[in-house]
Amino acid sequence: KAGVTQTPRYLIKTRGQQVTLSCSPISGHRSVSWYQQTPGQGLQFLFEYFSETQRNKGNFPGRFSGRQFSNSRSEMNVSTLELGDSALYLCASSLRDRVRDEQYFGPGTRLTVT
Amino acid sequence: AQKVTQAQTEISVVEKEDVTLDCVYETRDTTYYLFWYKQPPSGELVFLIRRNSFDEQNEISGRYSWNFQKSTSSFNFTITASQVVDSAVYFCALSESGGGGKLIFGQGTELSVKP
Repeated sequence: KAGVTQTPRYLIKTRGQQVTLSCSPISGHRSVSWYQQTPGQGLQFLFEYFSETQRNKGNFPGRFSGRQFSNSRSEMNVSTLELGDSALYLCASSLRDRVRDEQYFGPGTRLTVT
Repeated sequence: AQKVTQAQTEISVVEKEDVTLDCVYETRDTTYYLFWYKQPPSGELVFLIRRNSFDEQNEISGRYSWNFQKSTSSFNFTITASQVVDSAVYFCALSESGGGGKLIFGQGTELSVKP
C-alpha cells in the first residue's frame, strides 16, 4: 500500500503570497490531519478533516485553512504569508478513529518564506 | 492542561549501548492514547507504538521496549544495543478522548548513535 504523499516537497514563497499544499492519504484512510513543525514551536496541530468536514482545529490564525475532497485527498492553504510561516508542514492520515488510530505521516512540504 | 514533556533534548551514545528516552505526560482525561514516533533526517515521522490508558503492560518489539506507568504519568522508550541507524529525533505524543484526535507532541529527543 502506498503511504501518505505530499506535494510539493519544497516551496519558496515571498511574504504576502499565498500557497496551497496537497496531501493524499493512505488508500482507505478517511481522516487527514495537518501539522506544522518549526524548530521553536515543535510539532503543532493545525486541523483535521473527515468525510470532507473539518472536525477539529488548532490554534492558528484564519490565514490557515484547509479542505478535504470526496476521495479523502486534502489541501491546506496559507494566505498572506509571513516569515514565521516558514516550516515543515506534515500531513497525516488515519483509518477512522482519529483519537485511537495511529496517524501515518507523509514526508512533509518544506515551505520557506522570504 | 494536556502536555507532553521530553526532558532530554539530545542524547549521544556509542553503538551497542542501551538508551532510554523519557516521556512524561499530563492529561485530565481517563481515556487517552500514547504514541512514539521516530523522525529520521529525511523528515518523515514513522509510527513506532501506540498504547492506551487502560493497558499498562510493557511491550517489547525486537530491540525496542516501552514502559508505561500511569502512577508516574510516564511512557519511556528503551533501545537495547543501539545501532547507528537508530539515530533520529524521537517524539512522544498524546491523544485524548476529548481532544478531537489531535496529537500533542513533546519537544522531541535527538538521539545520536556513534559507531
